[in-house]
Amino acid sequence: DTGVSQNPRHKITKRGQNVTFRCDPISEHNRLYWYRQTLGQGPEFLTYFQNEAQLEKSRLLSDRFSAERPKGSFSTLEIQRTEQGDSAMYLCASSLGAAATDTQYFGPGTRLTVL
Amino acid sequence: LAKTTQPISMDSYEGQEVNITCSHNNIATNDYITWYQQFPSQGPRFIIQGYKTKVTNEVASLFIPADRKSSTLSLPRVSLSDTAVYYCLVGDNRGTYKYIFGTGTRLKVLA
Repeated sequence: DTGVSQNPRHKITKRGQNVTFRCDPISEHNRLYWYRQTLGQGPEFLTYFQNEAQLEKSRLLSDRFSAERPKGSFSTLEIQRTEQGDSAMYLCASSLGAAATDTQYFGPGTRLTVL
Repeated sequence: LAKTTQPISMDSYEGQEVNITCSHNNIATNDYITWYQQFPSQGPRFIIQGYKTKVTNEVASLFIPADRKSSTLSLPRVSLSDTAVYYCLVGDNRGTYKYIFGTGTRLKVLA
């Protein structure tokens, strides 16, 4: 399978703990995006990378959130001091580049539950 | 970024053709129209993308009128497995573009 993969698929944690999610994009895709989705809503953009450079961050991405993409391959999203409001599905997507028709391909998501 | 408006929900029966219309009155010259499908607990799946007129692939057709202020996703002969949320997105993937999802259209296919 050469699609976008995300690990873990599910994460249950206690409030105040730190969690880290991993995303492996489609090989040779230069762009990588993180979204968050809560129940009944569409995905909301968090941040994106062009290769290893983080080019944009949403205001939704508080200072407790940090994302990295070392070497321009896989990416990690870390949430520090989790809060119950962080419970959501975290989606990763990748696209080949920045052409108008370079669509984003999404992974299966990581569902986070903060108790 | 152009805002989109879709019906919140639709019901259909197996074997019927389903048409979901999306309004995007403020679409820009460089914007493309993209549709995604999402099943519960899964990431959105790309269905089809177009700029103008008609686009067809193995799963759907996309109709875009000349003024491009709306678009219609057509699903031929739906089955129960087409029950999902469908999102219409408008934008240009160049530059700092990122997808702005609305709440989508919840399609329920009945037996």
